Amino acid sequence: GENVEQHPSTLSVQEGDSAVIKCTYSDSASNYFPWYKQELGKRPQLIIDIRSNVGEKKDQRIAVTLNKTAKHFSLHITETQPEDSAVYFCAAKGYNDMRFGAGTRLTVKP
Amino acid sequence: DVKVTQSSRYLVKRTGEKVFLECVQDMDHENMFWYRQDPGLGLRLIYFSYDVKMKEKGDIPEGYSVSREKKERFSLILESASTNQTSMYLCASSLARWGAEQYFGPGTRLTVT
Repeated sequence: GENVEQHPSTLSVQEGDSAVIKCTYSDSASNYFPWYKQELGKRPQLIIDIRSNVGEKKDQRIAVTLNKTAKHFSLHITETQPEDSAVYFCAAKGYNDMRFGAGTRLTVKP
Repeated sequence: DVKVTQSSRYLVKRTGEKVFLECVQDMDHENMFWYRQDPGLGLRLIYFSYDVKMKEKGDIPEGYSVSREKKERFSLILESASTNQTSMYLCASSLARWGAEQYFGPGTRLTVT
């Protein structure tokens, strides 16, 4: 099955700076890569996803890039704001499963 | 707007008790999932169901069972709760088995003493 590693486990940035979270996956057949945001005490919610037929996708301050050759994908948040503080999970869909990374706790300092 | 609800936000049970966690979704999704969330381990799949009465084991099914008698409801059962099952339990539902957004419930924080 799929195996997903996520780094870093914690990330602290100043408001206005950029934040990057990276994930690697093991199954070369993986073709769907979602990112979920979980604010403190709340449920995880999808913020962006990418399929293997594209290399990059943007939605306002959030972007995801995918490198299929290297089997890694990254979440980029620009102009970070305090409300971006949360735990972020990446995931990868393998042949018959979907695995989540361990999560990154992002703290944006005002 | 998809809504996934879970029967309890917090639950405290004693070792050896039988525990039922219930999840209900209102979007007519065929696929429902139970995850366990622990610090540093992310979300680990316990069981999932792709249709009424159909279920498949996830990565950590030991000590758990599930029931799906109706499309909108997916129950997680701890036959004999143990302290190592103290955790946050998240239910989710989705249109597709794996390649689509999963909608999560608010979670149940279970403490087994």
